[in-house]
Amino acid sequence: SYDLTQPPSVSVSPGQTASITCFGDDLGDKYVSWYQQKPGQSPMLVIYQDVKRPSGIPERFSGSNSGNTATLTISGTQTVDEAEYFCQIWDSSFAVFGGGTKLTVL
Amino acid sequence: QVQLQESGPGLVNPSQTLSLTCTVSGASISRGTYYWTWIRQPPGKGLEYLGRIYTTGIIDYNPALKSRVTISGDASKNQFSLNLNSVTAADAAVYYCARNVLRYFDFWGQGTLVTVSS
Repeated sequence: SYDLTQPPSVSVSPGQTASITCFGDDLGDKYVSWYQQKPGQSPMLVIYQDVKRPSGIPERFSGSNSGNTATLTISGTQTVDEAEYFCQIWDSSFAVFGGGTKLTVL
Repeated sequence: QVQLQESGPGLVNPSQTLSLTCTVSGASISRGTYYWTWIRQPPGKGLEYLGRIYTTGIIDYNPALKSRVTISGDASKNQFSLNLNSVTAADAAVYYCARNVLRYFDFWGQGTLVTVSS
């Protein structure tokens, strides 16, 4: 089965840029989506098809995907961005999620 | 606005069948190019895809759980359901239903916690 690897945690100071990575074999050949999940809430789509933002997602969220690595970048990180972030792809006919990265803003 | 709402028992006995229903509003499960999906999340852990049903009734399952999972749809009620048989403590999780378009999930339910215990 296909594996997606994320760092367990990332820390960033308010106003700085946070980068959350997702690793997988030839990941650049697949579309990557990213979800934000705050405690007690359901996941929310923040990036799809590698680089697209759904309506209502702030411009500070951006994505990239090349080679074996996809990256979610949050520019000018705010305290409200503190959450867990999951990457996701489709492998054949089923979805695969990364293990999640806890973003701490302090 | 599309909304999904999970419902079902919060407690299931070991070896029994977990049954959940997702009620959809703001969209029809029998029209459009969407899949209707079940995803779960054990407490403190990551997300696991269970399976999905297409508007035409085509169904896909996670191969790891295929032998225990059944997904069905009821267009007249605009609902789709999950059955997971022979549950164990490892099946305890928050179960989400979500809409799948292309290769991503754009709308999610609030989730329902299922505990497995006698």
